[in-house]
Amino acid sequence: DAMVIQNPRYQVTQFGKPVTLSCSQTLNHNVMYWYQQKSSQAPKLLFHYYDKDFNNEADTPDNFQSRRPNTSFCFLDIRSPGLGDAAMYLCATSGQGSNQPQHFGDGTRLSIL
Amino acid sequence: AQSVTQLDSHVSVSEGTPVLLRCNYSSSYSPSLFWYVQHPNKGLQLLLKYTSAATLVKGINGFEAEFKKSETSFHLTKPSAHMSDAAEYFCVVTPGNAGNNRKLIWGLGTSLAVNP
Repeated sequence: DAMVIQNPRYQVTQFGKPVTLSCSQTLNHNVMYWYQQKSSQAPKLLFHYYDKDFNNEADTPDNFQSRRPNTSFCFLDIRSPGLGDAAMYLCATSGQGSNQPQHFGDGTRLSIL
Repeated sequence: AQSVTQLDSHVSVSEGTPVLLRCNYSSSYSPSLFWYVQHPNKGLQLLLKYTSAATLVKGINGFEAEFKKSETSFHLTKPSAHMSDAAEYFCVVTPGNAGNNRKLIWGLGTSLAVNP
């Protein structure tokens, strides 16, 4: 089945130690998104790629970066994680129309020690 | 400006009884609307979508929603709740305007509990 796959499902890192979360898709979608979701809240968009074009949300901290080396893969890099960055990180994809639904992976739950 | 209001933060029903999760939206354009479900420690699954076709939309797992423009509502219903329906439900609106705006507008979520 076509899908969005996130690895790992659970990630533990130390305060200030860089961490990378990965996402891959078999849907061949143009658009890939990264969201941060904290407990009992709606997901918050961090940034998205339309093909290779990177679109950063104005309130996304500089600590968060992303790479999309090809259509299938997208990475979220957190350069110096703080305790406040502990959350579920969700990757999603969509087709190119602005009214297309987004398809989500199962997320990576990040813990900071 | 666009916005989404989910009118109940928590809903509790008994197994086998109907489910109603309420959502109102505000949009200056013709929006697309979605309902997503999220089970604990999982990603979001698309239940159904409205994109300006039929106003009564059928989704997965027996859920459906009716788009009512006059009431600016998109309530989610299911005739008979199952224990596996216990989850968080999000009503979501696309901006609906032309251009490349892809930032979804999210409701705050409704937590559905199903009692045996």
